[in-house]
Amino acid sequence: RKEVEQDPGPFNVPEGATVAFNCTYSNSASQSFFWYRQDCRKEPKLLMSVYSSGNEDGRFTAQLNRASQYISLLIRDSKLSDSATYLCVVNGGGGSYIPTFGRGTSLIVHP
Amino acid sequence: DAGVIQSPRHEVTEMGQEVTLRCKPISGHDYLFWYRQTMMRGLELLIYFNNNVPIDDSGMPEDRFSAKMPNASFSTLKIQPSEPRDSAVYFCASTAGTGGNEKLFFGSGTQLSVL
Repeated sequence: RKEVEQDPGPFNVPEGATVAFNCTYSNSASQSFFWYRQDCRKEPKLLMSVYSSGNEDGRFTAQLNRASQYISLLIRDSKLSDSATYLCVVNGGGGSYIPTFGRGTSLIVHP
Repeated sequence: DAGVIQSPRHEVTEMGQEVTLRCKPISGHDYLFWYRQTMMRGLELLIYFNNNVPIDDSGMPEDRFSAKMPNASFSTLKIQPSEPRDSAVYFCASTAGTGGNEKLFFGSGTQLSVL
């Protein structure tokens, strides 16, 4: 089993739609969680951290479920500019600090 | 701040040649990571340094790969000899702190093509 797993997609949605991605992780001792965004042929950039109580940043909501070992990202009112690959990142566990990336979920928002 | 700087942006070489990728982390960052990204395997951590010292190189594919960080502002990833299967985008990233909650800053990457 891979450490961090994501559905690669692509998720193909119209503008204005709500879309959600999940990510599962295998290390129950993992300490911190993030979503990164990667545009085509560009470097990954931090989208948002994921906190235990859940957190929101504008149209984006992230949640963590430690019991089931998954994190989620919800995008409301999708924009064309949201088209990208969304990478789930899990840090730590067992005293180590090694950011582990999922392979990413591709999102395509069309007019 | 200029961010993490990688060079070259693109490298095309022939099988068997030596390839050296370079990275300048953000000033003040004490962690530096080298990742490789391919369609098949996604982003894979190759090696990371803390205060210029290699901490975990278990992701380095084989002896053909080596990485150094002679000082806080410079790191290299060397492949010798290169093979076609090494073709990928290689990213360098840096961050500060030890808590594991810090944001990773990536360079623009080096697109390596080994013919």
